[in-house]
Amino acid sequence: NAGVTQTPKFQVLKTGQSMTLQCAQDMNHNSMYWYRQDPGMGLRLIYYSASEGTTDKGEVPNGYNVSRLNKREFSLRLESAAPSQTSVYFCASKEVVYNEQFFGPGTRLTVL
Amino acid sequence: LAKTTQPISMDSYEGQEVNITCSHNNIATNDYITWYQQFPSQGPRFIIQGYKTKVTNEVASLFIPADRKSSTLSLPRVSLSDTAVYYCLVGELYTGGFKTIFGAGTRLFVKA
Repeated sequence: NAGVTQTPKFQVLKTGQSMTLQCAQDMNHNSMYWYRQDPGMGLRLIYYSASEGTTDKGEVPNGYNVSRLNKREFSLRLESAAPSQTSVYFCASKEVVYNEQFFGPGTRLTVL
Repeated sequence: LAKTTQPISMDSYEGQEVNITCSHNNIATNDYITWYQQFPSQGPRFIIQGYKTKVTNEVASLFIPADRKSSTLSLPRVSLSDTAVYYCLVGELYTGGFKTIFGAGTRLFVKA
């Protein structure tokens, strides 16, 4: 059981470039989440997916898009990266009736 | 979503009991209280969850008064490895999704 996996672990982009962060979970969870965490700050919810086929905006969705590809995978896309998107991105999943979210190891993204 | 307020930081010594209080004055009837722990460069990890009175597991206890407007996470006999950020979250278990707000958390520093 790998839990929640994220790729890549590190990424450096130039302003205006695009990229997709990948997340997969093998726990058969219905709900998946994308967060960002800026240095010294708490996590902020970008998007979440309550179940396969549905996605909803969180606190800070601007500049991001998501795709719930199937039950296992939930990707986050930056269409035109900006320096303000420099952050650590965490993916998480949980089962419907529990509040325990399982987090991935994170992706450290730097936008120059 | 209920807003939570926690102390920004706390210091303790090894072997002491640590109590971290979270205020959530506008908690709703269906809201549960959940606590997470985060170490540097890692995603948060679930500690404990409760609805009312007291919940205890192998790691911590959670005390919730009758009015549920606050909660206290109690860590018995802390060690250096308990140095981390602790987050209090309040929200419904499931409404077709669980929109989570982490906040800035409480930085606990355990000294020898």
